[in-house]
Amino acid sequence: ETGVTQSPTHLIKTRGQQVTLRCSSQSGHNTVSWYQQALGQGPQFIFQYYREEENGRGNFPPRFSGLQFPNYSSELNVNALELDDSALYLCASRRVGDYGYTFGSGTRLTVV
Amino acid sequence: KNEVEQSPQNLTAQEGEFITINCSYSVGISALHWLQQHPGGGIVSLFMLSSGKKKHGRLIATINIQEKHSSLHITASHPRDSAVYICAAAGGTSYGKLTFGQGTILTVHP
Repeated sequence: ETGVTQSPTHLIKTRGQQVTLRCSSQSGHNTVSWYQQALGQGPQFIFQYYREEENGRGNFPPRFSGLQFPNYSSELNVNALELDDSALYLCASRRVGDYGYTFGSGTRLTVV
Repeated sequence: KNEVEQSPQNLTAQEGEFITINCSYSVGISALHWLQQHPGGGIVSLFMLSSGKKKHGRLIATINIQEKHSSLHITASHPRDSAVYICAAAGGTSYGKLTFGQGTILTVHP
């Protein structure tokens, strides 16, 4: 399997709800990181997982959490959604030791 | 100062013009990515560079590791090239998170 697949591509949620975004990485990609891109801004680092453990986190509150699974898929969970959580969420994965990342095309989340 | 800086922030060109977008970074990297994003769209990866130069169609990307600088060139620009172009530096450690530039908004007029 090649490429990184994110699902869903678009999503609308109500303030206060919870959301789960999914990322399916290439086989062997044991590092996955998640980014938030608000409108008009560059993507910001949320967190990174390596071998199912979080090994880095950006300046995001604990209501942003994640999971990585042995089958190279991962999830980003956001609780108690706020209007400012409306953004494009990107995942990118790689095998440790590789030079660069493979990108998903993103999930666009709208909170109303 | 951001760890990854792009210039210019906005760029307007006429169809057929040669375009250059610059990216400077202050962190150690293992690779640098150039990405394209159309309005309302997701991210498309154009290039991954760790040294030298790569070419794909009308797009050329170069990197100078010593100067910590990369450029994306578009030859014979076309209105369909209108998009946001983002450079992203992959950190040089095994932790190696990506740090993104703010993006360059390119508009090519017919």
